[in-house]
Amino acid sequence: DTVLTQSPALAVSPGERVSISCRASEGVNSYMHWYQQKPGQQPKYLIYEASNLASGVPARFSGSGSGTDFTLTIDPVEADDTATYFCQQSWNDPWTFGGGTKLELK
Amino acid sequence: QIQLQQSGTELVKPASSVKISCKASGYTFTSNYMHWIRQLPGNGLEWIGWIYPGNGNSKYNQKFDGKATLTADKSSSTAYMQLSSLTSEDSAVYFCARDGTYYYDGFAYWGQGTLVTVSS
Repeated sequence: DTVLTQSPALAVSPGERVSISCRASEGVNSYMHWYQQKPGQQPKYLIYEASNLASGVPARFSGSGSGTDFTLTIDPVEADDTATYFCQQSWNDPWTFGGGTKLELK
Repeated sequence: QIQLQQSGTELVKPASSVKISCKASGYTFTSNYMHWIRQLPGNGLEWIGWIYPGNGNSKYNQKFDGKATLTADKSSSTAYMQLSSLTSEDSAVYFCARDGTYYYDGFAYWGQGTLVTVSS
């Protein structure tokens, strides 16, 4: 299976820029997607195919990368962005998720 | 608007089966893939498989072969997942999720989740 590795946690101050990384154990072309999940809620679709903003998602969110290295950037970070962020690939079978990065605000 | 409404919390005994439902609305049910995903207590997410309601085709993560069975009822726009031979390791929140514009676009719409607890 394709393993997606994310840093477990990050802490930033409101107004700062934060980059959340996701590294794949093998190439996934551009088929990497990002989700935001708050406690007790379902994941929310943020970015698809590495860099495309999902409908209704603020332009503060952006994505980049291809192959094995991908980044989700939030600039500027707001208090409401406190959540866990997951990457997910849909190129290799089975589709897999990263372990999630918990974003906390200072 | 597109909505996926899942059935409620289940408390089931080991070795038994459970069937979870996901009622879709706001789009043409037969035109998109419906996926099932589970979230374990440690927050890890696992993709279980998909069904295409238009023709009934399905695909499973090999890990869930024999564990999960996906079906869909076009008349009621409802997708189902049956889980069998349950153990405590199957205790998790199960989500249905619809694809985006294209098959490879990830999971654009999610149900609210169904908590399944396996306990004697």
